[in-house]
Amino acid sequence: EDQVTQSPEALRLQEGESSSLNCSYTVSGLRGLFWYRQDPGKGPEFLFTLYSAGEEKEKERLKATLTKKESFLHITAPKPEDSATYLCAVQTSTGNQFYFGTGTSLTVIP
Amino acid sequence: DAGITQSPRHKVTETGTPVTLRCHQTENHRYMYWYRQDPGHGLRLIHYSYGVKDTDKGEVSDGYSVSRSKTEDFLLTLESATSSQTSVYFCAITRGIWGNTEAFFGQGTRLTVV
Repeated sequence: EDQVTQSPEALRLQEGESSSLNCSYTVSGLRGLFWYRQDPGKGPEFLFTLYSAGEEKEKERLKATLTKKESFLHITAPKPEDSATYLCAVQTSTGNQFYFGTGTSLTVIP
Repeated sequence: DAGITQSPRHKVTETGTPVTLRCHQTENHRYMYWYRQDPGHGLRLIHYSYGVKDTDKGEVSDGYSVSRSKTEDFLLTLESATSSQTSVYFCAITRGIWGNTEAFFGQGTRLTVV
């Protein structure tokens, strides 16, 4: 069964304290892995797509990496405005459906 | 911004009544999706469409139907609303002829069934 698991469920960081969020997946064939940011009361906002193991993408303080079994979202020197829920999703090679994890709720304290 | 508008944004309805949620897109994408988001479950696919009058079921389709009579509109109907369908509903699109790109989401509809 295709599955996506994110950890930790919640993370509190001091401003400037770097950390990583984890997304592990079990799918029959990976077409792509996606990271989203979701603010309260809003729809998920697309951040990154990763297609193959070893790939990395960066945007401001965020860097996403991919291995054959998991992805990491590294947050360097976070700011309070980085506070949000971060969602991971995978798309399989057999269809267009996305499988989402339950997210990591990140709080960055000034 | 992928030009997705959901309506209504909030709705309270009574158990047993039919409810229709609307998703409108302005960019003519072939693939459209309806998801629901619940605490502890993440986003789960209800139905999706790959063209006018072409739809298919997702993992949580029971109690829901969809219609797509125009490229720009994708309607989700709860035939007889139940309390278990209280949720936040998101519409999404993917780009390209095969739809195998990242998804872009609308702002969501918060539905409460009392």
